[in-house]
Amino acid sequence: GAVVSQHPSRVICKSGTSVKIECRSLDFQATTMFWYRQFPKQSLMLMATSNEGSKATYEQGVEKDKFLINHASLTLSTLTVTSAHPEDSSFYICSARASGTGGSPLHFGNGTRLTVT
Amino acid sequence: DQQVKQNSPSLSVQEGRISILNCDYTNSMFDYFLWYKKYPAEGPTFLISISSIKDKNEDGRFTVFLNKSAKHLSLHIVPSQPGDSAVYFCAASPIQGAQKLVFGQGTRLTINP
Repeated sequence: GAVVSQHPSRVICKSGTSVKIECRSLDFQATTMFWYRQFPKQSLMLMATSNEGSKATYEQGVEKDKFLINHASLTLSTLTVTSAHPEDSSFYICSARASGTGGSPLHFGNGTRLTVT
Repeated sequence: DQQVKQNSPSLSVQEGRISILNCDYTNSMFDYFLWYKKYPAEGPTFLISISSIKDKNEDGRFTVFLNKSAKHLSLHIVPSQPGDSAVYFCAASPIQGAQKLVFGQGTRLTINP
């Protein structure tokens, strides 16, 4: 089945630093990838839609200058949390669907646990 | 505004019995529904889906029921196994294959031996 790999799985950083999270589709091409965020005991919230070769589309309330998304190839999207603060500590998950398979479910990476100290 | 709601944060079921997880939605435009299973520190894994043209979809031990008039869906797992212990999320979208999924808050299912 379709595999989405996310790296790193866990990262601890200091306030003010930036952290990059990678999302790769290992055995399929994805023109679109999605970045979700999950707070403890809460739902997965869509942050942004990453489009290969163009700008990402951000959901309302998500700061695009803080959460930089780059989708440089059909198999890689990156999310950079800039100038991280403790309130950015969360579980970040990416997802993707193989291009041209509009009816298939999204496949998720294993997520990245970000802790900002 | 929580468009997809899972009102039970947790559920405990004895091994071998039936587990029933419930989900309600408010947006009448939702047309396609999915259930995902999630283990700690992992991403969600797709389990089963149903479109609005059906009221039931079955896959092995998992059956999803949809009641469009009540805007309610449920996931039945029978018989429940210890490996089913996880958090279950229901999700909805306006059409199948839609890019955006709206998730419920999740229900933590614990199967007791």
